Amino acid sequence: DTEVTQTPKHLVMGMTNKKSLKCEQHMGHRAMYWYKQKAKKPPELMFVYSYEKLSINESVPSRFSPECPNSSLLNLHLHALQPEDSALYLCASSQRLAGAPGGEQYFGPGTRLTVT
Amino acid sequence: AQTVTQSQPEMSVQEAETVTLSCTYDTSESNYYLFWYKQPPSRQMILVIRQEAYKQQNATENRFSVNFQKAAKSFSLKISDSQLGDTAMYFCAFMKQNSGNTPLVFGKGTRLSVIA
Repeated sequence: DTEVTQTPKHLVMGMTNKKSLKCEQHMGHRAMYWYKQKAKKPPELMFVYSYEKLSINESVPSRFSPECPNSSLLNLHLHALQPEDSALYLCASSQRLAGAPGGEQYFGPGTRLTVT
Repeated sequence: AQTVTQSQPEMSVQEAETVTLSCTYDTSESNYYLFWYKQPPSRQMILVIRQEAYKQQNATENRFSVNFQKAAKSFSLKISDSQLGDTAMYFCAFMKQNSGNTPLVFGKGTRLSVIA
């Protein structure tokens, strides 16, 4: 089973709203990732969690706040977003850290975010 | 730094025909992994095939196979007996092998259309 689930599928929010994206995997993977993807572009890495600890933050603005409550869950808290933050947000997980055997990533279906 | 180049922004193929998508990469590393991901219009990124650089044998997954030329730093994907469901964006990706945390490096993608 290589399933990563994400909720919600679609989200529309105003620039003053606070919302959260949720990602879940039950494959026992120890690394989880958030990506941002604009239309017709490859995914851009935002954050990496390894064993529930933040290990990479790719200089993402503080209006994006990740959280890893346990090894199966990954949240992305959103606050005071800008219209240019509208994108597809993808979650991924891997058995091991990227770079190690078993480091291939499995992606969720994404959340389509629109900031108005 | 590693780079991945997909020189074909768009391609099309007739149903049941064979198509090859090109990918080249630049790295000074000896040990690494290469991947092809598929992203249909439904947007979920799906891992199609992976190749370990130390393996000389080309990876195969059903109708999908790769031509891995390490010296030439080339990693093309061949899709045999193309089906309408193969219509998608295809991303080539590189991952350096080490014990640390190395992100996936994606190419810009090739949009493949399978025509009935």
